[in-house]
Amino acid sequence: AQSVTQLDSHVSVSEGTPVLLRCNYSSSYSPSLFWYVQHPNKGLQLLLKYTSAATLVKGINGFEAEFKKSETSFHLTKPSAHMSDAAEYFCVVSVSGYNKLIFGAGTRLAVHP
Amino acid sequence: SAVISQKPSRDICQRGTSLTIQCQVDSQVTMMFWYRQQPGQSLTLIATANQGSEATYESGFVIDKFPISRPNLTFSTLTVSNMSPEDSSIYLCSGRLAGVGFNEQFFGPGTRLTVL
Repeated sequence: AQSVTQLDSHVSVSEGTPVLLRCNYSSSYSPSLFWYVQHPNKGLQLLLKYTSAATLVKGINGFEAEFKKSETSFHLTKPSAHMSDAAEYFCVVSVSGYNKLIFGAGTRLAVHP
Repeated sequence: SAVISQKPSRDICQRGTSLTIQCQVDSQVTMMFWYRQQPGQSLTLIATANQGSEATYESGFVIDKFPISRPNLTFSTLTVSNMSPEDSSIYLCSGRLAGVGFNEQFFGPGTRLTVL
């Protein structure tokens, strides 16, 4: 079975400091992994996706994530946080050949001046 | 990418009534999905909306409670029937584009439902 664990429910950083949102996955097959962001009262936006091409994936707004098979991790990072990054972030796994997306519980990122 | 719109954006309903949520995509999509996001929770897949046939429901969701239609490749509806306060959630639809692999899905803005 596939599952996703987001290790932090809340992360708080100061503007201009690095962001790290942690995600571990479990999958019996080669997974596709995604990070989505949800701003307050907005829909979900795809930040980036891993689909087995390159282990370091660059997304929008300066975010990137690294797929580490040995650690079953797909952590999201950004070198310098901006106030507009404050939102809920979801790590998502999908198994090739299946249509279902499995969402993690989410990490709420707060950015302070 | 695809742009997905939903109507209504929010509603407040009385217990025992039903609400139909519409989802419109600006591109033809192979698959459409309906999710529920309960307050403070993550997203849970309700069902896959299949064009021209009955939707495929996930465990814990049934057609009598959440009937779904998908008359064509760009439109779907979800009805929340006989509502109770426990149905208060955000309901989101998503679509998977033809030719886009790896199950990348685009999401609508959601419908925020409050049941009194």
